[in-house]
Amino acid sequence: GQQLNQSPQSMFIQEGEDVSMNCTSSSIFNTWLWYKQDPGEGPVLLIALYKAGELTSNGRLTAQFGITRKDSFLNISASIPSDVGIYFCAGRSNTGNQFYFGTGTSLTVIP
Amino acid sequence: SQTIHQWPATLVQPVGSPLSLECTVEGTSNPNLYWYRQAAGRGLQLLFYSVGIGQISSEVPQNLSASRPQDRQFILSSKKLLLSDSGFYLCAWSVGQGWDIQYFGAGTRLSVL
Repeated sequence: GQQLNQSPQSMFIQEGEDVSMNCTSSSIFNTWLWYKQDPGEGPVLLIALYKAGELTSNGRLTAQFGITRKDSFLNISASIPSDVGIYFCAGRSNTGNQFYFGTGTSLTVIP
Repeated sequence: SQTIHQWPATLVQPVGSPLSLECTVEGTSNPNLYWYRQAAGRGLQLLFYSVGIGQISSEVPQNLSASRPQDRQFILSSKKLLLSDSGFYLCAWSVGQGWDIQYFGAGTRLSVL
């Protein structure tokens, strides 16, 4: 299956700092999704991207669909303790239907 | 609004015992349904998906099976659990002809001892 590389694998930041993470694929995708998963819960959709270059915000979160269509980025501004969790990217190529998930970025926010 | 229910939330089973996890969706018709497994709190592995009643596609060979007896019900089963079946199982749904955005249930934590 498709490999999605997500980085960094984990982050430890101070409350109030900004966060950046990214996801890259080995092939071109036509849809990128970003999810957040709290411990013991299912992933919750944060942002969906459908067009190369698209920049979409959801509150303090901003995600971008990379121009090459092989990557996507998620930024969180002014982090707060409730941002703690694992962030997953998911992508779908234009040659198939299945969404492939990254291995996640674990975020810890230190008050 | 649409909601998805998964149960049980946690399950501890001995090796060799059977398994039945249930997932139901409310507030939508003819959803696409999915079962994922998440090992070690990380990446999601697609196990099964279904586009309609009785239609099941398996993504990886394994000790598990899935069934869809009703439009909004998806069941994950095993006749004999293995230690390697332990993990976090997630059910998800989407609507539309293609594989659109998937919405997840709260998951079932399965421990096989």
